[in-house]
Amino acid sequence: EDKVVQSPLSLVVHEGDTVTLNCSYEVTNFRSLLWYKQEKKAPTFLFMLTSSGIEKKSGRLSSILDKKELFSILNITATQTGDSAIYLCAVGDAGGTSYGKLTFGQGTILTVHP
Amino acid sequence: DTEVTQTPKHLVMGMTNKKSLKCEQHMGHRAMYWYKQKAKKPPELMFVYSYEKLSINESVPSRFSPECPNSSLLNLHLHALQPEDSALYLCASSSSSGISSYEQYFGPGTRLTVT
Repeated sequence: EDKVVQSPLSLVVHEGDTVTLNCSYEVTNFRSLLWYKQEKKAPTFLFMLTSSGIEKKSGRLSSILDKKELFSILNITATQTGDSAIYLCAVGDAGGTSYGKLTFGQGTILTVHP
Repeated sequence: DTEVTQTPKHLVMGMTNKKSLKCEQHMGHRAMYWYKQKAKKPPELMFVYSYEKLSINESVPSRFSPECPNSSLLNLHLHALQPEDSALYLCASSSSSGISSYEQYFGPGTRLTVT
């Protein structure tokens, strides 16, 4: 069974701090790793990392994938109160009937204080 | 603009009611998904449709019945639910081919309460 573990489970920082969120995984047939931001309702897509794209950056957010050590990190620099959310890591498995299937980690709750 | 929409936003139903959740995507995707998310838990996959055909059913109880009338619409029919079925129900869509099938875009969800 696929397994995705995120750490820390929660994190409290002040505006301007830099944070690093971690995601480790065990999957049978790895195809992709995704990061989502979830505020009140829908998870919002941030990045997808694959064998052909192991680093992504968008503004203050960046992410890397280490396929050898089976983990990914999401970095947020110069945090703002609007970054407060649950950050979800998900892994895509390509085996058999699980095509298109994502398995999510339990999420990291990030709180940014002014 | 939200390109995946869901209705209703909130739904309260009794255990003997029949109701439906609706999802529509305007992204030209050919794969659509239903997820269930309990409070403080990650989303859990329920069903996957690809080209309007059911391709994955994650052993979901038969009181949940999905339907995909066309490539942009996805319904979830609910009947004889239990209080433990109360959750946020999320719809998502993606391309149905290759690595893009994992890049899923979510709707805002329907908050379901079963009384």
